[in-house]
Amino acid sequence: AQSVTQLGSHVSVSEGALVLLRCNYSSSVPPYLFWYVQYPNQGLQLLLKYTTGATLVKGINGFEAEFKKSETSFHLTKPSAHMSDAAEYFCAVSLNNDMRFGAGTRLTVKP
Amino acid sequence: DTGVSQNPRHKITKRGQNVTFRCDPISEHNRLYWYRQTLGQGPEFLTYFQNEAQLEKSRLLSDRFSAERPKGSFSTLEIQRTEQGDSAMYLCASSRLTVEQYFGPGTRLTVT
Repeated sequence: AQSVTQLGSHVSVSEGALVLLRCNYSSSVPPYLFWYVQYPNQGLQLLLKYTTGATLVKGINGFEAEFKKSETSFHLTKPSAHMSDAAEYFCAVSLNNDMRFGAGTRLTVKP
Repeated sequence: DTGVSQNPRHKITKRGQNVTFRCDPISEHNRLYWYRQTLGQGPEFLTYFQNEAQLEKSRLLSDRFSAERPKGSFSTLEIQRTEQGDSAMYLCASSRLTVEQYFGPGTRLTVT
């Protein structure tokens, strides 16, 4: 079955700095990949997704992710962090409607 | 679309009591999912409906858990004889024919 590993349960950056959240997946066939964000006491909001086609995917709030098949990675980046980006981020992999989530990375943004 | 809604948002119950949660998906979404999320973890799949048919259930869904989607619209998740280990956030998501799932705000269950 497919699975996701998020490297780093906590990431702290300064406001204006680059955000890099790491995600590696395991799947027997090319899966669909997602990044979701969760704010405290709320559900998950879709940031971006990769299904097919262009490997660099742009999402909401200035985030983007690149699908690298050779590295089985789907890292999330944002050039300049805002205070409002502080949240929990989840990478997910989906195969045949079976979606599996990583354990999450908590992003802290320091002023 | 008004989004996925879940009720109640919070539920505190005593061990051994039964609880029921409701999920209203985005209208015309034929797929509905239930997940459980514990502190510091990602959501774990519980079960999945396509229209009114329950197509898949996780091993996490013990005999005390039951889910229904009687008319292919809203869904309920019932937990019987709650245990402290059932304390978690229960998330509902829906989708149409596309792969991305849209999540509700969740129901936080605390079993005392």
